[in-house]
Amino acid sequence: GQSLEQPSEVTAVEGAIVQINCTYQTSGFYGLSWYQQHDGGAPTFLSYNGLDGLEETGRFSSFLSRSDSYGYLLLQELQMKDSASYFCAGEYNFNKFYFGSGTKLNVKP
Amino acid sequence: DTEVTQTPKHLVMGMTNKKSLKCEQHMGHRAMYWYKQKAKKPPELMFVYSYEKLSINESVPSRFSPECPNSSLLNLHLHALQPEDSALYLCASSQEPDRGTTGELFFGEGSRLTVL
Repeated sequence: GQSLEQPSEVTAVEGAIVQINCTYQTSGFYGLSWYQQHDGGAPTFLSYNGLDGLEETGRFSSFLSRSDSYGYLLLQELQMKDSASYFCAGEYNFNKFYFGSGTKLNVKP
Repeated sequence: DTEVTQTPKHLVMGMTNKKSLKCEQHMGHRAMYWYKQKAKKPPELMFVYSYEKLSINESVPSRFSPECPNSSLLNLHLHALQPEDSALYLCASSQEPDRGTTGELFFGEGSRLTVL
């Protein structure tokens, strides 16, 4: 499979902004998705970047730079319910999705 | 209906048992996936079906045998598993491959497998 690297853990306070980075391998790369997973739950889709630039969906934004093999998820106005694991997922050779190492986000009051 | 339904939710089996996991979606998606997820780890891609044909097998041991009987159903047949195969098995689907990608996988809640 392909290797996508993320920080293992991030901690922030309610109301803050946090950025979760993802670096990926470029061979066969098609696009980058982001997923949220609460403990005991299934991954849920947040965002997808097929092109370079910023995609905004409410409090969540995602960015992709193909020239840097890098993307990030930006979470604004953090809430306690945002405490979860966040995964980037690279799409390779169309419809083949490999998940990143995952980042556990802890939101504190 | 935007659901992917997996059964059973929990399964305990011995190393000599044969069991199956089932997955169903009625969104008209023509790509379906099996992922394996161990605790505190990312989902690992196992198999991809595209238009009911196996398109990707990520070097999964033959004790896992996928099947796609029709465009709505995906099975994972299990035989002679090892304790290290204990994990959450996630099924997912995505829209028709030849309609372009949205990058979105729709996941079921998973089947939690314990091998004794």
